[in-house]
Amino acid sequence: EPEVTQTPSHQVTQMGQEVILRCVPISNHLYFYWYRQILGQKVEFLVSFYNNEISEKSEIFDDQFSVERPDGSNFTLKIRSTKLEDSAMYFCASSQTGTGTYGYTFGSGTRLTVV
Amino acid sequence: QKEVEQNSGPLSVPEGAIASLNCTYSDRGSQSFFWYRQYSGKSPELIMSIYSNGDKEDGRFTAQLNKASQYVSLLIRDSQPSDSATYLCAVMDGGYQKVTFGIGTKLQVIP
Repeated sequence: EPEVTQTPSHQVTQMGQEVILRCVPISNHLYFYWYRQILGQKVEFLVSFYNNEISEKSEIFDDQFSVERPDGSNFTLKIRSTKLEDSAMYFCASSQTGTGTYGYTFGSGTRLTVV
Repeated sequence: QKEVEQNSGPLSVPEGAIASLNCTYSDRGSQSFFWYRQYSGKSPELIMSIYSNGDKEDGRFTAQLNKASQYVSLLIRDSQPSDSATYLCAVMDGGYQKVTFGIGTKLQVIP
């Protein structure tokens, strides 16, 4: 079964440092997403990406965040200057369509801990 | 602010019983509805999607949608201890590529 791959599984970083979270979406999927889940809270939408550009972003996705698809397979989330409140599980997801058909496939997540 | 509301639980059911999970949503323009299962410390896993009013069955799972009442439910028949997890209701707007999740209902199936 095709899967979305995320690396690293766990990252610890000091406040103010930059982190890059990496994702390899399913190969025939065209829509890519980042979500996050703070411990005990809802899964929250950050950004959607299609055709090499951001198609929608949430209020959380401010100037400290950026996404990139540097090649045909990787999809990255960069957090420029991490804050304590950025500590969360970050999930990458991909889908074949943008209309919700088939839903998303989520990666296993990166647990980011900012100290 | 578009909301998806769920009772966080826990909902406890005995093994073999039917578990009934409910969800309401605020945006009448919503078009696609999903149920995800999330084990502790793991990522959400899609178990059902539904787009039209009525029932949709897949094995032991039945999703029900009532757009007039803005209500989605999930029934799990013959509940097993392995069904113990948090069940997330998720709603997608028409025309948007964004899914809004509820807090999830924690289900405990007691052997």
